[in-house]
Amino acid sequence: SQTIHQWPATLVQPVGSPLSLECTVEGTSNPNLYWYRQAAGRGLQLLFYSVGIGQISSEVPQNLSASRPQDRQFILSSKKLLLSDSGFYLCAWSARGYTGELFFGEGSRLTVL
Amino acid sequence: GENVEQHPSTLSVQEGDSAVIKCTYSDSASNYFPWYKQELGKGPQLIIDIRSNVGEKKDQRIAVTLNKTAKHFSLHITETQPEDSAVYFCAASPYNQGGKLIFGQGTELSVKP
Repeated sequence: SQTIHQWPATLVQPVGSPLSLECTVEGTSNPNLYWYRQAAGRGLQLLFYSVGIGQISSEVPQNLSASRPQDRQFILSSKKLLLSDSGFYLCAWSARGYTGELFFGEGSRLTVL
Repeated sequence: GENVEQHPSTLSVQEGDSAVIKCTYSDSASNYFPWYKQELGKGPQLIIDIRSNVGEKKDQRIAVTLNKTAKHFSLHITETQPEDSAVYFCAASPYNQGGKLIFGQGTELSVKP
């Protein structure tokens, strides 16, 4: 069966520090991968999605970047965190070439102080 | 791009009553409409979905209806139970955009025993 792992689960970082959140998927090949952010415990905003290694689409201009160095690995990064980067970050995957269910990880809660 | 509006933002019902959550979307090319349930501190999980070639779908106590002409879809939960309490999200998938989902703002459902 397929599983998705996301870490760290919680992170407290000072303003101006770097960020790296990692997500890996097991049990499937060539998945579509996504990063969503959920601010204030509500609405899910799509940040980045990827249909293949090195292929990243950014949905909103921001202080964050994403990379996909391997087929089932998706990384969310920042060089210098802002207070507004605080939130709950969710990684998700879906099957390539098929519009259907997104499978979400358990999320990473980031607090920028 | 696609925009999804969801109402109400909060909903409180007595156990055993029905709950209805409504969503509208803007892109007539969207063809997949899932509903997700998110429990506190966890990632969202799919509870039911519907495709644009179907008007209604039911799974035990939950059902979804889709009106393509009006570009709106609704989630119906009957015989609500306390364990139905959670945040519910609707979403729409724009056609041929890598399976990404655009989410509504969420509805916090509270079922009182």
